[in-house]
Amino acid sequence: DIQMTQSPSSLSASIGDRVTITCRASQIVAIYVNWYQQKPGKAPRLLIHSASTLQSGVPSRFSGSGSGTDFTLTISRLQPEDFATYYCQHTYSTPWAFGQGTKVEIK
Amino acid sequence: EVQLVESGGGLVQPGGSLRLSCTVSGFSFSNHWMHWVRQAPGRGLVWLSRINTDGSRTTYLDSVEGRFTISRDNARNTLYLQLNSLTVDDTAVYFCARDSDSGRYFDYWGQGALVTVSS
Repeated sequence: DIQMTQSPSSLSASIGDRVTITCRASQIVAIYVNWYQQKPGKAPRLLIHSASTLQSGVPSRFSGSGSGTDFTLTISRLQPEDFATYYCQHTYSTPWAFGQGTKVEIK
Repeated sequence: EVQLVESGGGLVQPGGSLRLSCTVSGFSFSNHWMHWVRQAPGRGLVWLSRINTDGSRTTYLDSVEGRFTISRDNARNTLYLQLNSLTVDDTAVYFCARDSDSGRYFDYWGQGALVTVSS
């Protein structure tokens, strides 16, 4: 099974900061990586699919990059509503595993 | 508007069974693969299972295969997850999710159903 390792597991940042979260796959997954945002008590929300495609309705301050085994989610200028937990997911082969999550907190 | 609504969660004793439902609206259910994902309290997301459009193909996470069964009723626009031989480690919020038109990512999710396994 392919494992996804996210880093960091948590971070503290200020409004307006640039935030970068990374995800490494244990095997090559091409561009089959998605990113989700989850707020407490809510369902996850799709942000980025296929490594770098912004989902409709998602603000352009979110971007994704990478291919192969290394992937990045970037928030260009952190907004108050962006404080949440972020998960990467590969969909290269089943089981479609998620990373362990990165909690973005207010500094 | 696309909606996915889970139901059937609750408190069950170890060794017991439960059936979760996910009733959808706002899209053509029979055209989409569907998935179940769970999240234990304070933990991350875990993909559990998927089913193809007509229900003829299913896939499971190894740790739940043989205990959990995914199914669907396209006439009722409903996805199911039968949970058997439950243990305390199965305590979690269970989400249903729609696979996108192009496949390979979850573009809509239900709100989740809490399953608590406890004596």
